[in-house]
Amino acid sequence: EADIYQTPRYLVIGTGKKITLECSQTMGHDKMYWYQQDPGMELHLIHYSYGVNSTEKGDLSSESTVSRIRTEHFPLTLESARPSHTSQYLCASRAGTGAGELFFGEGSRLTVL
Amino acid sequence: EDQVTQSPEALRLQEGESSSLNCSYTVSGLRGLFWYRQDPGKGPEFLFTLYSAGEEKEKERLKATLTKKESFLHITAPKPEDSATYLCAAERAQKLVFGQGTRLTINP
Repeated sequence: EADIYQTPRYLVIGTGKKITLECSQTMGHDKMYWYQQDPGMELHLIHYSYGVNSTEKGDLSSESTVSRIRTEHFPLTLESARPSHTSQYLCASRAGTGAGELFFGEGSRLTVL
Repeated sequence: EDQVTQSPEALRLQEGESSSLNCSYTVSGLRGLFWYRQDPGKGPEFLFTLYSAGEEKEKERLKATLTKKESFLHITAPKPEDSATYLCAAERAQKLVFGQGTRLTINP
C-alpha cells in the first residue's frame, strides 16, 4: 500500500481565494509529481521535483506553484483560484533510482465557483 | 511529439467474457510502459511495468504484453470487481505520458 497522502480530498471555494493542496509521502522518495486530471481525460503533468529545493514545470501550463523544502512534502498553491482551475489534482512519488513505479495519492478534487 | 493512445474508450463485457485493451505509443527512447487501474474518485493504482518488446507480466486475471509500438492488457474471465478505468503510460526522461484510459465495465 502506498504511503502518500493528499489533503483536502474535496474542496469547494469561491473565485479569487488562495488555496494550498497538501501532499506528503513517508517512503523517502526523492521524486514527486503533480498531475491534473479532468473527468474522463488523461493525466497531465503540471509540476515535478527531483529533490529538496528542486522544482520544474511540467508539460501542461498551470498557474499553480509548488515548493519542496522537505523531502516528504510537496504542496501546490493557487494564489487566486478561478473556475477554470476546477479539476482533480493527483500527487505522486517514486524512488530516485531506475524507472520504478509511480505511487499516487487519492487525489484532491477542487471546485471553484 | 510523445503520444499515447488507448482503445477502445469504453468496453462493456459480460462476466467471464475475455478481451483485450490496446495502448499505442509514439515515444522515442522508451524507458518503460506502465499500466494502472483507476477507480472512480481515486488515484491510479499500479499494475505493471514493461521494459522491452516481447516482455509479458501477469497478475491474477490480467496479462500485459509489449511490442515496439503498442501494449495490450488482456483480461481473462473478468469479474464485476474488475470494472475500472485502465490507464497506460509511457515513460521518457523520467516523465510519464498517459493515455486517456479505457473505461471497463463487467456486467454480472
